[in-house]
Amino acid sequence: GAVVSQHPSRVICKSGTSVKIECRSLDFQATTMFWYRQFPKQSLMLMATSNEGSKATYEQGVEKDKFLINHASLTLSTLTVTSAHPEDSSFYICSARSGGVDEQFFGPGTRLTVL
Amino acid sequence: DQQVKQNSPSLSVQEGRISILNCDYTNSMFDYFLWYKKYPAEGPTFLISISSIKDKNEDGRFTVFLNKSAKHLSLHIVPSQPGDSAVYFCAAKSGANNLFFGTGTRLTVIP
Repeated sequence: GAVVSQHPSRVICKSGTSVKIECRSLDFQATTMFWYRQFPKQSLMLMATSNEGSKATYEQGVEKDKFLINHASLTLSTLTVTSAHPEDSSFYICSARSGGVDEQFFGPGTRLTVL
Repeated sequence: DQQVKQNSPSLSVQEGRISILNCDYTNSMFDYFLWYKKYPAEGPTFLISISSIKDKNEDGRFTVFLNKSAKHLSLHIVPSQPGDSAVYFCAAKSGANNLFFGTGTRLTVIP
């Protein structure tokens, strides 16, 4: 199956700093990438959808100025959590989909802890 | 508003027996349902899916059943193996819209 990687796998940062998470599709071109967030014992909640070369579409309640998403190429999307706060601590997972394919392939996730 | 629900957070089954994982949904517009399997520190991996025009889809040891009138689907694993121990998420979508996930059920298969 298709492989999606995320980097870093874990990050601990101080409150007020910014953190960038990378999502890469390793063996296919991802026309669409998705960013999810999962709090403990909760389901994966979609944060935003990004199509290569265009602005991301954010779900209701997700601050686009706080969670900056860039999908500059067909193999890379980045999520930057700006001015992180402890309540942003969560598990962030990306997924990627190739054009014409219905299935999403998920990355391994990034555990963010904001102190 | 949780549109996809997995009411059992955990399930333990003896090796060789059947595992039945359940999922309920509220949105009647959902027309495609998926099951994902997730190991610790890894992302979910696709397991099996079913379209709303079917009521059963089988792939090896895995079978998904869909009861549209009850807005209920289930995943059957038989025979269960220790390697099946993981968290299982059901997900649903309508058309090209995004996936809605349940909260997951942790399956433990006891050798």
